Order: sequence, then structure tokens, then C-alpha cells
Amino acid sequence: GAGVSQSPSNKVTEKGKDVELRCDPISGHTALYWYRQSLGQGLEFLIYFQGNSAPDKSGLPSDRFSAERTGGSVSTLTIQRTQQEDSAVYLCASSPRGWGVNTGELFFGEGSRLTVL
Amino acid sequence: DQQVKQNSPSLSVQEGRISILNCDYTNSMFDYFLWYKKYPAEGPTFLISISSIKDKNEDGRFTVFLNKSAKHLSLHIVPSQPGDSAVYFCAASAKERGSQGNLIFGKGTKLSVKP
Repeated sequence: GAGVSQSPSNKVTEKGKDVELRCDPISGHTALYWYRQSLGQGLEFLIYFQGNSAPDKSGLPSDRFSAERTGGSVSTLTIQRTQQEDSAVYLCASSPRGWGVNTGELFFGEGSRLTVL
Repeated sequence: DQQVKQNSPSLSVQEGRISILNCDYTNSMFDYFLWYKKYPAEGPTFLISISSIKDKNEDGRFTVFLNKSAKHLSLHIVPSQPGDSAVYFCAASAKERGSQGNLIFGKGTKLSVKP
């Protein structure tokens, strides 16, 4: 597809389990972002990848959260030992260039809805 | 300590009338502002943006106004259409902060345009 693709679209897990969320950015986009939206909240920045530079992890809420981007394309967000407060929609976005280089808009995927029971 | 605030969680407007969505920010270092629109079960989509060197940007039915002294921006939709019904997010960024990619979003305003 032409857009940002995320999987799974829905994930229900038990507290304490690990989950992996996947993002396929738009082909050729060098920048990739993860955000999450908890119920009634705005979009919360988590992490940003730009090319081969070290990622900006300043938004990750705890060390249970990690993300990697392999080959400059697909990204996986991993949440270890999930807690109920991790329940949210996790949104991935990509852009053709890094934010600081060109203040272009972000192209978002449809999100992965995570529910931790 | 919300840096981007959308104080109206919802707004209802009659079709054909003007919709005005408001956004306030606290960080004077913000220099770029965007509006995104989000339909249910879809990701947000970019709508319009404005740099801090401008006070107005217009794109068709959509106009964004920026008042730097008041740290306030607004999105005007004229005329409003039922298809505009969605959640609108205001977002801001400060390139000089060095935290690249850290786009700060408000909580959103749900706009309902009634036929």
C-alpha cells in the first residue's frame, strides 16, 4: 500500500505480558515516529528515528518501552511487562525528511489499539 | 503542564456556517504550528500549518491564524460541511529545541457539522 501500515490493528493482552507493535513507513521516508493516544488525551510523542542517526527516545515513558528500526525502514515498538496504563492507541508516522530539516507534515498510520487486561 | 491546550473538547456547527477551533500554547519557543484532522479508526491527517513568521495561512476553506503575543492560534473552516466532522488536533514544534521530531499535540476538539 501507499500509506503507513501498522499491525496488529488490535491487540488484547494480559498484564505482565510483552507485546510488539509493527510499523511499515511509506517507502522512501527517512523519518519515523511513534506516538500514543490514551483515552481522552492528545497524542503523546514516544520516539523518533531519522536515517542512521541515534533515535530521539526522550518520550519513552519507562524502560519497559523500546523501539528499533531495521534497515532504515520497518520499526517495531516493544512493551515489556505490560501494565493497564499502557492501554492506548499506538500511532506510527513517517515523513520524507527529518523534522529539523524540513518542517513537513507527518503521515500517520491507522494505529494499533492495545488493551491490557 | 500541557504545552498545547485545546480547551473545547467539542464544537457543534450548522452546515454552511463558520467553524472556529481554538488552540493556546505556553512555550514561547514554539515556531511551527499544525492542524491535523482525525476520523474514527483512522490515523490523523495533516490539514494546514503556519510558521511563526506569519500570522495567517489560507488553504481553500481552511485558514489558520496565529497571534504570537497571545500564544494563540485558531483554525477557521468556512463554509463548514458535514464531511468536516472529525476530531481536530492542534500541534506545535520548536526546531531550536534540538529535540527533533517532538511534535506536541493538544487533546483535540471534536467538531460536529449538522446538515
